[in-house]
Amino acid sequence: GEDVEQSLFLSVREGDSSVINCTYTDSSSTYLYWYKQEPGAGLQLLTYIFSNMDMKQDQRLTVLLNKKDKHLSLRIADTQTGDSAIYFCAEDSGNTGKLIFGQGTTLQVKP
Amino acid sequence: DAMVIQNPRYQVTQFGKPVTLSCSQTLNHNVMYWYQQKSSQAPKLLFHYYDKDFNNEADTPDNFQSRRPNTSFCFLDIRSPGLGDAAMYLCATSRDRLGDNEQFFGPGTRLTVL
Repeated sequence: GEDVEQSLFLSVREGDSSVINCTYTDSSSTYLYWYKQEPGAGLQLLTYIFSNMDMKQDQRLTVLLNKKDKHLSLRIADTQTGDSAIYFCAEDSGNTGKLIFGQGTTLQVKP
Repeated sequence: DAMVIQNPRYQVTQFGKPVTLSCSQTLNHNVMYWYQQKSSQAPKLLFHYYDKDFNNEADTPDNFQSRRPNTSFCFLDIRSPGLGDAAMYLCATSRDRLGDNEQFFGPGTRLTVL
C-alpha cells in the first residue's frame, strides 16, 4: 500500500542549512507536498512539486525530487529559530486529492 | 480573512458519550476533509465531502460519521468515543480534488476521552 517515511528528528544551529528527507512508495503520485505544523496549530502548506520536475526553489526553500528512487527532500537555507516545527511530507494518492502523510520530522533550531 | 475555523479547540468527553466537532470555512471550497492525528503520528484521512458527495475511507470505523449541511459547515460525529479516539482532529478544505489544489487546514480540535 501507500507509505511515506521520514526521519523523526533533526537538530541544526541557527544560520545553517536544514535538509529533511522523505521516501514514498506510490509511483502514481502527481504532486508531492511539504507541510509545516507549529505547536497547537494546523498544517500549513510550504511548497509542493509536480512529479515531472526534479527541483523547485522558493526563497529559502529548495525541494529536490528523485522520482526513480522515490525520494523527496526539503532544504531550508539560513535556518531560523522560527523554522522550529514539525515538517510533514505528503503525496497525493493517485491524484485523487487524498493526501498520504509521513509521520513528520521535528526540526529543532538552536540559537 | 478567509479561513478554516474549528470549534471547539479543546473537547473533553466521557467514554461512550457522543461528541460532535465542528468545522466551518469562508473559502467557498468544494471539498472538506476530516483527518485524525494521534500523538507523534501522521494525519490520517477519515473521510471527505466533494460538494454533497460523501467519501468514506475504507478503514474509518463506523463510530465516525460526518455531516455537511451546506458548503460552509462540516461536522464530525463520534457516536461512542473510546479511549483510542483521543487525538487531534483536523479539518481541511480545498477548491477541488485534483491538481495542485492546496488543502487549507484549520487549527484542529484536541479531543480527550476520560
